Amino acid sequence: KAGVTQTPRYLIKTRGQQVTLSCSPISGHRSVSWYQQTPGQGLQFLFEYFSETQRNKGNFPGRFSGRQFSNSRSEMNVSTLELGDSALYLCASSRDTRGDEKLFFGSGTQLSVL
Amino acid sequence: GEDVEQSLFLSVREGDSSVINCTYTDSSSTYLYWYKQEPGAGLQLLTYIFSNMDMKQDQRLTVLLNKKDKHLSLRIADTQTGDSAIYFCAEFMNRDDKIIFGKGTRLHILP
Repeated sequence: KAGVTQTPRYLIKTRGQQVTLSCSPISGHRSVSWYQQTPGQGLQFLFEYFSETQRNKGNFPGRFSGRQFSNSRSEMNVSTLELGDSALYLCASSRDTRGDEKLFFGSGTQLSVL
Repeated sequence: GEDVEQSLFLSVREGDSSVINCTYTDSSSTYLYWYKQEPGAGLQLLTYIFSNMDMKQDQRLTVLLNKKDKHLSLRIADTQTGDSAIYFCAEFMNRDDKIIFGKGTRLHILP
């Protein structure tokens, strides 16, 4: 069974640009969550999608958005990039969002904003 | 607020036990977790404990839960070089249906 796949693995962008990151969950998983990981802040929850609907959202500005397709694949978009958006963006999938459901993480997309 | 607190660094000699501590915020959290992140990889679930348990043991791993103090710990017996990683404590927030992570404890193994 293939794991969670995130593309691209690395991205370099400049301030003001926008970026789209992709996540393919494990087959059969309908929930996809996105996290931002930085050395100073650790893992911060961005949002969660389930069956193409955003079910949960963290405390990030509206420049951060996402969507989920009918095959459960998800994308997140960051517009008007800022230097502080440089981070590792992790996607995690699970069958559902319940406490006893394991989150399976991808290896992440390392975004550098210059 | 939503804060899971854990110390940032821990150094342990190979063969000794490692104890990583964490405090969480939501007294109604039903599940608490320990995830491991190796360099260049995503997080991997190590173990989790349900809130009605005080202790859970899985081979070299022992999780202790003190609900009164909202304190969670992970003990790794006979620490090996392969245990070198960042360990994240996390809680399932019932009111929000989301998992909140601590900042991670970087475990360094001394020879």
